[in-house]
Amino acid sequence: AQTVTQSQPEMSVQEAETVTLSCTYDTSESDYYLFWYKQPPSRQMILVIRQEAYKQQNATENRFSVNFQKAAKSFSLKISDSQLGDAAMYFCAYRSVQYGNKLVFGAGTILRVKS
Amino acid sequence: NAGVTQTPKFRVLKTGQSMTLLCAQDMNHEYMYWYRQDPGMGLRLIHYSVGEGTTAKGEVPDGYNVSRLKKQNFLLGLESAAPSQTSVYFCASKPGMNTEAFFGQGTRLTVV
Repeated sequence: AQTVTQSQPEMSVQEAETVTLSCTYDTSESDYYLFWYKQPPSRQMILVIRQEAYKQQNATENRFSVNFQKAAKSFSLKISDSQLGDAAMYFCAYRSVQYGNKLVFGAGTILRVKS
Repeated sequence: NAGVTQTPKFRVLKTGQSMTLLCAQDMNHEYMYWYRQDPGMGLRLIHYSVGEGTTAKGEVPDGYNVSRLKKQNFLLGLESAAPSQTSVYFCASKPGMNTEAFFGQGTRLTVV
């Protein structure tokens, strides 16, 4: 079974600065997807960025980018020019391509943004 | 187009009571999922369905049952609620394999 580990329960960043959230995963599969989801206090689950394992290029969405290291099974999220609206819980997630296409989530990292 | 709608949004149950959570989607999605979210544990999969009339167990299925009699609805049942089932429950749906999931707004359930 796949597992996802987020070792940072909480992180803080100053507004306009850069922060990196860590995620590692364990799998024996060669083909899969990785995601970062944002959950603000409203509880809504918002997809931030996704990475396909067979693509070597790191995904980027505006101020959000990932550092995907397939051999090390590492998938970190970098948020540049942090804004107050970035404050939320962030979940790293793994999706198998096997039956059910299930998402496996990490425990989450609370990101606080200081003004 | 309402997306994924969960009913109810909040509920308090007494130990031993039963209830059903409803997840409804109007996007004609094949796949539907029920997760629970607990502090320090992220979201864990309870049950899922890959199409009308199908269901399968996830990571934490004990104490729950599900049904998918209609494609648009995925019901999660608690036959005899326990305090350990106090959690926030999320439903998600998606069109098919390797597509993105759409999440409902969550149901906060407290069992006293």
